[in-house]
Amino acid sequence: GAVVSQHPSRVICKSGTSVKIECRSLDFQATTMFWYRQFPKQSLMLMATSNEGSKATYEQGVEKDKFLINHASLTLSTLTVTSAHPEDSSFYICSAGFRAHTGELFFGEGSRLTVL
Amino acid sequence: QKEVEQNSGPLSVPEGAIASLNCTYSDRGSQSFFWYRQYSGKSPELIMFIYSNGDKEDGRFTAQLNKASQYVSLLIRDSQPSDSATYLCAVGGGAGGGNKLTFGTGTQLKVEL
Repeated sequence: GAVVSQHPSRVICKSGTSVKIECRSLDFQATTMFWYRQFPKQSLMLMATSNEGSKATYEQGVEKDKFLINHASLTLSTLTVTSAHPEDSSFYICSAGFRAHTGELFFGEGSRLTVL
Repeated sequence: QKEVEQNSGPLSVPEGAIASLNCTYSDRGSQSFFWYRQYSGKSPELIMFIYSNGDKEDGRFTAQLNKASQYVSLLIRDSQPSDSATYLCAVGGGAGGGNKLTFGTGTQLKVEL
């Protein structure tokens, strides 16, 4: 199967700072990547769809100015949490689809963000 | 709005038994259905996908889809302690890659020795 790599796996930051999370497709080109957030004991909630070379599409209730997404190449999408607050502490997971496959998503390892 | 419903569990089964996980979805236009396994603190990994009505078998896993009833299930035969995890049902609008999926809240499975 296709491989999606996410970095960093864990990050701790102070309130008010910004954190960048990278998502890379290692062995395929991903025109579309998805960013999810998961709080403890809850399911994955889609935050936004990242499209290579164009603006991301955000889900209702997700602040686009707070969660900046950049998909500058076919193998890299980044999520920047700006002015982070403790309530942003969560597990952030990226995923990518590959057209030649059957439609399933391949997930990165996830990034656990803790905002102090 | 698409909704995917799962019983949160925990579902406890003895080792060697069959575990049955169920999922219902609200959007009749849904065309692709996935089961993911998620261990605590880890990201989801794909177990199976199914597009057509009926059963699809892969090793100890069988996915069942009934579009008329808007129901999809996952059977795990000969359950092992390593199968203990949360199983997420996900539903998408169509095949072809880059799929936007809606996830259920997951069912926690515990396989007991």
